[in-house]
Amino acid sequence: DIQMTQSPSTLSASVGDRVTITCRASQSVTNWLAWYQQKPGKAPKLLIYDASSLESGVPSRFSGSGSGTEFTLTISSLQPDDFATYYCHRYNSYPWTFGQGTKVE
Amino acid sequence: QVHLEQSGGEVKKPGASVKVSCKASGYTFTTYGITWVRQAPTQGLEWMAWISPYNGHTNLAQKFQGRLTVTTDTSTTTAHLDLRNLTSDDTAVYYCARAGGYGGYLLYWGQGTLVTVSS
Repeated sequence: DIQMTQSPSTLSASVGDRVTITCRASQSVTNWLAWYQQKPGKAPKLLIYDASSLESGVPSRFSGSGSGTEFTLTISSLQPDDFATYYCHRYNSYPWTFGQGTKVE
Repeated sequence: QVHLEQSGGEVKKPGASVKVSCKASGYTFTTYGITWVRQAPTQGLEWMAWISPYNGHTNLAQKFQGRLTVTTDTSTTTAHLDLRNLTSDDTAVYYCARAGGYGGYLLYWGQGTLVTVSS
């Protein structure tokens, strides 16, 4: 199975900071990668799909980049509503897998 | 609009089975697969299974082979997850989800169903 390694597991940041989260795959997933935001007690929310496509309605401060085995989620200027946990998710082949998550606090 | 409504929370004893339902509305049920994802307390997301309501084809995570069944009922536009021989490690919130388009990214999510396994 293709494993996803997400880093860091926890990130301390302040409002206005530029935040970068990385997800590495054990083999190429081409660009079949998504990013989600999850807040406590809520279902995940899709932010980015196909590695770099911004889901409709998601603020433009969120962006995704990368292909193959290395991917990045960037928040250009962290806002109070962005304190949450973020997950990457590869869907190039079964079994799909998620990264371990990054808590932004 | 697309909506996935899940069944209510369950409390089960070790060794029992649980069935979680996910009623879909707002789109043609057979057009998109349904994915099941779970999340243990304070843990990350874990992909469990995918099923096509169109032809019943499934993909299951290896760790659940033999005790997990996923099905769909097109007459009621409902997907079902059936997990058997429960242990405390199966205590989690179970989510159903649907892709946003041709790919596997999960745009629409149910509200989650908490399954608690305790003696």
